Amino acid sequence: DAGITQSPRHKVTETGTPVTLRCHQTENHRYMYWYRQDPGHGLRLIHYSYGVKDTDKGEVSDGYSVSRSKTEDFLLTLESATSSQTSVYFCAISDPLTSGRAWEQYFGPGTRLTVT
Amino acid sequence: QKEVEQNSGPLSVPEGAIASLNCTYSDRGSQSFFWYRQYSGKSPELIMSIYSNGDKEDGRFTAQLNKASQYVSLLIRDSQPSDSATYLCAFLSNTGNQFYFGTGTSLTVIP
Repeated sequence: DAGITQSPRHKVTETGTPVTLRCHQTENHRYMYWYRQDPGHGLRLIHYSYGVKDTDKGEVSDGYSVSRSKTEDFLLTLESATSSQTSVYFCAISDPLTSGRAWEQYFGPGTRLTVT
Repeated sequence: QKEVEQNSGPLSVPEGAIASLNCTYSDRGSQSFFWYRQYSGKSPELIMSIYSNGDKEDGRFTAQLNKASQYVSLLIRDSQPSDSATYLCAFLSNTGNQFYFGTGTSLTVIP
């Protein structure tokens, strides 16, 4: 398994509170991604990073921010959590140069977030 | 809007049969396509990648790509109950930075 961990694995929080999810990798992959997975919508990209301090928005970025200060860590912050952000959040990594496998993406175990 | 269309299923096949999963995509310029397997409550697991038109075989799995028709499929031969999962189709955008996923097809292999 690719060395990807996510923390916390489960979290319940209240509406309006900030929440930060962490993704940590030991593969030295350049690209890191945050997705959310909801029934009927599949996996949707929130934000991604293509290097330290280099990030960009995905298709569902509103209400989320990210930071990447080290190659191995990619943080996702819900600035003020809403019930619509209740979801399962997956981190993923890829790097065609490092892995030798063009653009193959590997996922972390996921974080189940409930906003009440 | 980039899209991936999959039949959500559920698809049921008897053990030992061939399961056929299909996917169409909207981005004509995309060059990279992927199939992931996701067991209930688990994260997606990459099982096949395909970049050229034609067939690519890996064990019991065969991916087929037809870029002209914007169509990619996955065949699972000799299906086993352990193949019961949701299968996600995905492509990499032609800008090379973003992946787009379908909603998945649920497969049940009946012993």
